[in-house]
Amino acid sequence: EVQLVQSGAEVKKPGESLNISCKGSGYSFTSYWIGWVRQMPGKGLEWMGIIYPDDSNIKYSPSFQGQVTISADKSISTAYLQWSSLKASDTAMYYCARPVSTVTTPFDYWGQGTLVTVSS
Amino acid sequence: QSVLTQPPSVSAAPGQKVTISCSGSSSNIGNNYVSWYQQLPGTAPKLLIYENNKRPSGIPDRFSGSRSGTSATLGITGLQTGDEADYYCGTWDSGLSAVVFGGGTKLTVL
Repeated sequence: EVQLVQSGAEVKKPGESLNISCKGSGYSFTSYWIGWVRQMPGKGLEWMGIIYPDDSNIKYSPSFQGQVTISADKSISTAYLQWSSLKASDTAMYYCARPVSTVTTPFDYWGQGTLVTVSS
Repeated sequence: QSVLTQPPSVSAAPGQKVTISCSGSSSNIGNNYVSWYQQLPGTAPKLLIYENNKRPSGIPDRFSGSRSGTSATLGITGLQTGDEADYYCGTWDSGLSAVVFGGGTKLTVL
């Protein structure tokens, strides 16, 4: 069974750094892209970017380029989403998701979400 | 402002049919497959429709999708109270080189 299990909720202060994770299991982690999707409180879905764990090929949405860092450690089947300096506007639910095949295909498996709260 | 445009809300009675529209442009819907997601309250999105009109295994045939030009439509027949959710369309945008989503449509089953 394909599973994406994300790290737990985080409460941080503005300016702090953060790293959230997404561990894949039940499939060949290096054979599929893993993407990240933001959902701000009461708002819609926003595609942030995607990584191919086998070679760490990364594509960022223009809206998120330079704002976050996506990475992966294929040895432990885990993808990461990182912030170097959080802002209050980063408060959101973050989902990792696996597309059917290529970058342009829809996400058929989703993690449970990681809620990030940034507040002073 | 989302790249794809959806109505904020739709409603219908149990057993009835509803359609949700998704409007885009030639750089997204017009030249790429459309998918639809259902997000029940407090849960992660779930893929309902892919490649405009295909249903993943386990999705009932009450859900259907279509695309015409730069617009797409999700149809749901035989509405049930359990269908109350937010619905999102999504596709690849060739100009942005990114996946884009609609703003979401909240379905209320009265």
